[in-house]
Amino acid sequence: AQSVTQLDSQVPVFEEAPVELRCNYSSSVSVYLFWYVQYPNQGLQLLLKYLSGSTLVESINGFEAEFNKSQTSFHLRKPSVHISDTAEYFCAVRGTGANNLFFGTGTRLTVIP
Amino acid sequence: DVKVTQSSRYLVKRTGEKVFLECVQDMDHENMFWYRQDPGLGLRLIYFSYDVKMKEKGDIPEGYSVSREKKERFSLILESASTNQTSMYLCASSSGGVPSGDNQPQHFGDGTRLSIL
Repeated sequence: AQSVTQLDSQVPVFEEAPVELRCNYSSSVSVYLFWYVQYPNQGLQLLLKYLSGSTLVESINGFEAEFNKSQTSFHLRKPSVHISDTAEYFCAVRGTGANNLFFGTGTRLTVIP
Repeated sequence: DVKVTQSSRYLVKRTGEKVFLECVQDMDHENMFWYRQDPGLGLRLIYFSYDVKMKEKGDIPEGYSVSREKKERFSLILESASTNQTSMYLCASSSGGVPSGDNQPQHFGDGTRLSIL
């Protein structure tokens, strides 16, 4: 089975400052990794995913995440956050050859003006 | 664009009632999922289905059942609602079967916030 740890439940950061949301996973098999974002009163939206190939993946709104197999991490970063980035962020892992995702407990990012 | 529609955004029911939460997707996806989301616990999988009339238990199936009579619709049933089932319920769908489609992301509905009084 797989599991995901998001150590930071809340991350406050000033507007235009950089941010890193941490995600570590455990798995005995190869994995696919995902970051989802949940804006208030909405469902989850896929932000970015790592399936194979380049270990650095990017989203269209400036977020990036790097798959680090040796450290079993998939941290999410953005060099300069906006107010509109305020949301809850979930890291998720799926074993290759499986249908279901395992989610972390989420990190609430609050961008302060 | 994939659309996953949950029939209600907010629902209030009484303990002991039988509750139905409906979810419909419009992209002909094989896989559908029901999660509940609670503060500090993230998302926990209740049930999922990879084909019509097929279902698999997730991590917390107790007190729930599901129905998938048609490919596009996946229903979550609370047989006898209890106050500890007050939660946000999220439905999701994804394409592809194992293993060829297992790298496809899940697409989520907006959620149903269910309160059991």
